[in-house]
Amino acid sequence: DTAVSQTPKYLVTQMGNDKSIKCEQNLGHDTMYWYKQDSKKFLKIMFSYNNKELIINETVPNRFSPKSPDKAHLNLHINSLELGDSAVYFCASSHGEREGYFGPGTRLTVL
Amino acid sequence: GDSVTQMEGPVTLSEEAFLTINCTYTATGYPSLFWYVQYPGEGLQLLLKATKADDKGSNKGFEATYRKETTSFHLEKGSVQVSDSAVYFCALRGVSGYSTLTFGKGTMLLVSP
Repeated sequence: DTAVSQTPKYLVTQMGNDKSIKCEQNLGHDTMYWYKQDSKKFLKIMFSYNNKELIINETVPNRFSPKSPDKAHLNLHINSLELGDSAVYFCASSHGEREGYFGPGTRLTVL
Repeated sequence: GDSVTQMEGPVTLSEEAFLTINCTYTATGYPSLFWYVQYPGEGLQLLLKATKADDKGSNKGFEATYRKETTSFHLEKGSVQVSDSAVYFCALRGVSGYSTLTFGKGTMLLVSP
């Protein structure tokens, strides 16, 4: 059973397009996150939701909009994609502030 | 703010060699400390953790001890295997307000037969 799943695994698109990445967790956790991993493997928090409410919103362009329809889902919508958005995006979840469980990642390539 | 510093990689070892990957941190109070591992093409997996000073986390032959006096959480393994080849991330979760994981830059480990 997959604990944290993301779709799609790969996403290749043109500059200027709008795309979404979906995330679901079946662990019963109340907190979900989006992290971005750049080409040098550096991981940086983007957003954090607790019980469907936005808790942390790091310095991320407004083109990125997370949505949490329920505690088990956290989606990421990106408008007007740019070359610099190319990265691997990881969804994660945790119970409160304990360790995070990560999804397999979505590799986004913007051409 | 909180930060984590890891040794630069790649670390290249022969099978059965001893592994140390250094990790130091900057944070107020007593953060929780973690090591995550990322195998090629996969997401991050929690390897081990420690939540208070002098705690030792261990898993799959890996160990790390929370050293408050040196603000360190070095990862060690007595005998590495080819299957340990991966990127290892040190991370902390701070104690101030609502916090997320702060990661180091990762250290690639390459183990040859």
